[in-house]
Amino acid sequence: QSALTQPASVSGSPGQSITISCTGSSSDVGSYNLVAWYQQHPGKAPKLMIYDEVKRPSGVSNRFSGSKSGNTASLTISGLQAEDEADYYCCSYSGTSAYVFGGGTKVSVL
Amino acid sequence: QVQLVESGGDVVQPGRSLRVSCAASGFTFSDYSMHWVRQAPGKGLEWVAVISPDGSSKYYADSVKARFIISRDNSKSTLYLQMNSLRPDDTALYSCARTPWATHFFESWGQGTLVTVSS
Repeated sequence: QSALTQPASVSGSPGQSITISCTGSSSDVGSYNLVAWYQQHPGKAPKLMIYDEVKRPSGVSNRFSGSKSGNTASLTISGLQAEDEADYYCCSYSGTSAYVFGGGTKVSVL
Repeated sequence: QVQLVESGGDVVQPGRSLRVSCAASGFTFSDYSMHWVRQAPGKGLEWVAVISPDGSSKYYADSVKARFIISRDNSKSTLYLQMNSLRPDDTALYSCARTPWATHFFESWGQGTLVTVSS
């Protein structure tokens, strides 16, 4: 159960688009279409932003989108806004009812 | 609305035990798989354990297997995590989260309860 690999930080200016990568292996990200992304503001509980790689829960802005290629999943935030500044975590199902998170990416809005 | 409220966090010595709880409300508790996820201070999220809606199936992360026990009381809409043989690296905020049946994402989360393992 090795953690998924995410960049420690990503930054962008308001209105720009940024992409956060999440690299796993053929045992987790590459085997299942079951990657989710969570947003966490300081001192707050995580919030589900994307599930099943590409689906958005009701109420989540369509500025957030997910994709996957091979063993790497990605979260793209378009039209970056100040409120998007937070930590983002990917999480993949890894079989036998187990889950593995990425180390987290701090998004800064310049 | 959906509420998940954890309690029971404390400061405990290495090797001791502690049980934390998660009280659920605003939804039919017995319809959902429930998880514990932890976050060490200043660190990332780590999945800990999951229990099926009826409590018959339980799975654990390797880091806690054989030391932690997840359980639930559907009559009380409450989830538990019994933590034994605690180690300093178990120090974390422990949060519960719910997963709709046959899905693999954490739909709602509690705010967490802090467990500190220190002599």
